[in-house]
Amino acid sequence: GAVVSQHPSRVICKSGTSVKIECRSLDFQATTMFWYRQFPKKSLMLMATSNEGSKATYEQGVEKDKFLINHASLTLSTLTVTSAHPEDSSFYICSARGRDRVYEQYFGPGTRLTVT
Amino acid sequence: DQQVKQNSPSLSVQEGRISILNCDYTNSMFDYFLWYKKYPAEGPTFLISISSIKDKNEDGRFTVFLNKSAKHLSLHIVPSQPGDSAVYFCASNAGGTSYGKLTFGQGTILTVHP
Repeated sequence: GAVVSQHPSRVICKSGTSVKIECRSLDFQATTMFWYRQFPKKSLMLMATSNEGSKATYEQGVEKDKFLINHASLTLSTLTVTSAHPEDSSFYICSARGRDRVYEQYFGPGTRLTVT
Repeated sequence: DQQVKQNSPSLSVQEGRISILNCDYTNSMFDYFLWYKKYPAEGPTFLISISSIKDKNEDGRFTVFLNKSAKHLSLHIVPSQPGDSAVYFCASNAGGTSYGKLTFGQGTILTVHP
């Protein structure tokens, strides 16, 4: 149980375009989803927290107009990187948390974004 | 301000021996701690957790110890296996307005040699 998927696993886009990444909880209802970014050889940096049906809460320093998050259902959250630039190239990981085990987050496999 | 620190960037262990991964934290509001294992280009996998009301939690080959007075936790893997080679992250959660949000350490690369 507690499987989280992400799509796509890898994407290359041109500078100035937008990219959407999907995060799905496959076998449980995710009341909360989190989006992280990992820089090479660094820890996971929390970008934002989204609760189903509510606006996402962004961490300090994360541009909400650049990283659009939608959590429209209990099994799906999307992250859209708008007007991507090469510095947005990174490994983006989502995680999901259910109602019962509220401290434990289950992570997706990640999406490698490369902006050329 | 690094609230969760894993001071050893890497650890090398012989197969069959014990692996001990350490983690220190500074925020006294942290009340739940987790260990995750991560392979390159994959998301972290949950391993084991411990609440601040306990000092030990065991699950198979994995044991987590918590020393609240020292703000220190450790993950013991016994016996270590080559398949355990990965990056291990400790993570902490605080209650209140940070409820549910995890703060991660920098990670420790564990290599288990056959």
